[in-house]
Amino acid sequence: DAKTTQPPSMDCAEGRAANLPCNHSTISGNEYVYWYRQIHSQGPQYIIHGLKNNETNEMASLIITEDRKSSTLILPHATLRDTAVYYCIVRVANSGGYQKVTFGTGTKLQVIP
Amino acid sequence: GAVVSQHPSWVICKSGTSVKIECRSLDFQATTMFWYRQFPKQSLMLMATSNEGSKATYEQGVEKDKFLINHASLTLSTLTVTSAHPEDSSFYICSASDRTGETQYFGPGTRLLVL
Repeated sequence: DAKTTQPPSMDCAEGRAANLPCNHSTISGNEYVYWYRQIHSQGPQYIIHGLKNNETNEMASLIITEDRKSSTLILPHATLRDTAVYYCIVRVANSGGYQKVTFGTGTKLQVIP
Repeated sequence: GAVVSQHPSWVICKSGTSVKIECRSLDFQATTMFWYRQFPKQSLMLMATSNEGSKATYEQGVEKDKFLINHASLTLSTLTVTSAHPEDSSFYICSASDRTGETQYFGPGTRLLVL
């Protein structure tokens, strides 16, 4: 799996958009970009993933650059409950589900009232 | 999304005893599940890959005789910490892929405290 680089921490005002960057310059053509978050003392929660196109779901938007070397997770209206460690992961997605997920250190997002 | 549960959510035990943690995929079948361990203020570290009907694959540095994994059915994997010691105190988390294999879903975690 390609290595990712994320800032260790970020602050965001409540109600504003939180933009979390991730660099993955060594990503391979068949690797997806995944985002998870871990709220304190809980298991990681899946947020979103994508291959090359931008993606949006009820939780967030994922913007992937054209060269796929970096991406940004956008939480459009951050709330205090979005305070968590956010992990950007790149991995191959296959039908067998055998591909393990390797976690980096992530970005600790603090949403401020 | 798919739901993964763990039981118990927390456990306290005496040093030298064994503790079993269950991981269940509630609404899907998972031929492969993964076990992670997380120490305070650290990231998740993969311990082993649990394969239904076969032996688990352990990551380097993880003692297979200490952390016994059984994946007897497509919805249940168990991790047994044998002869637990205080240094085994940690947050244990399992995960499983859904049918498409594209996404892994994680359980809520089990906090183990060995006294």
